[in-house]
Amino acid sequence: AQKVTQAQTEISVVEKEDVTLDCVYETRDTTYYLFWYKQPPSGELVFLIRRNSFDEQNEISGRYSWNFQKSTSSFNFTITASQVVDSAVYFCALSGRTGANSKLTFGKGITLSVRP
Amino acid sequence: DAGITQSPRYKITETGRQVTLMCHQTWSHSYMFWYRQDLGHGLRLIYYSAAADITDKGEVPDGYVVSRSKTENFPLTLESATRSQTSVYFCASSASGSSYNEQFFGPGTRLTVL
Repeated sequence: AQKVTQAQTEISVVEKEDVTLDCVYETRDTTYYLFWYKQPPSGELVFLIRRNSFDEQNEISGRYSWNFQKSTSSFNFTITASQVVDSAVYFCALSGRTGANSKLTFGKGITLSVRP
Repeated sequence: DAGITQSPRYKITETGRQVTLMCHQTWSHSYMFWYRQDLGHGLRLIYYSAAADITDKGEVPDGYVVSRSKTENFPLTLESATRSQTSVYFCASSASGSSYNEQFFGPGTRLTVL
């Protein structure tokens, strides 16, 4: 079985602070995919990034960056210079390669509040 | 409009009633999914469908029924609603069953069972 753990449940920061959202996963598949989704107060789920297990390069997209480390089974998400619009629930998700594991398994989500 | 839509967006019903949540996508995606979102649980898969007339159970299927007679529609029925089914329900679609493929989510249906 696969599992995603987002140990932080709620984080509150002041605007312009950097914040890191942690994600730890478990899977027996050697090929798998990791995702981050954002759910703003309006409720929709917004895809942010996908990373496959063979690509450990970190990725940066504007103020967002992702750190994937297979050695620690982690896929952490950092927001630099946070803004009020970053306030949302963030979900990390895992998809394995085959069978039942090929379906998305979500973590419980982290509620991020960015105060002005 | 292109995309994935859900109806109704909000629904209040009573225990024991049958409720059907609709999901429609215009991309001709093969795969469709139903999730429920509950505080403290994240999103959990209820049912999914690989194609018309092909459905399979997810993590929490009890109390739900699905059908898929057309590729674009994937309704979810609660045959006899219970209070524990109060939740936000999300439908999603994906071009294929490959775990690489991104799932696109609908706006959600907030269901309250009294």
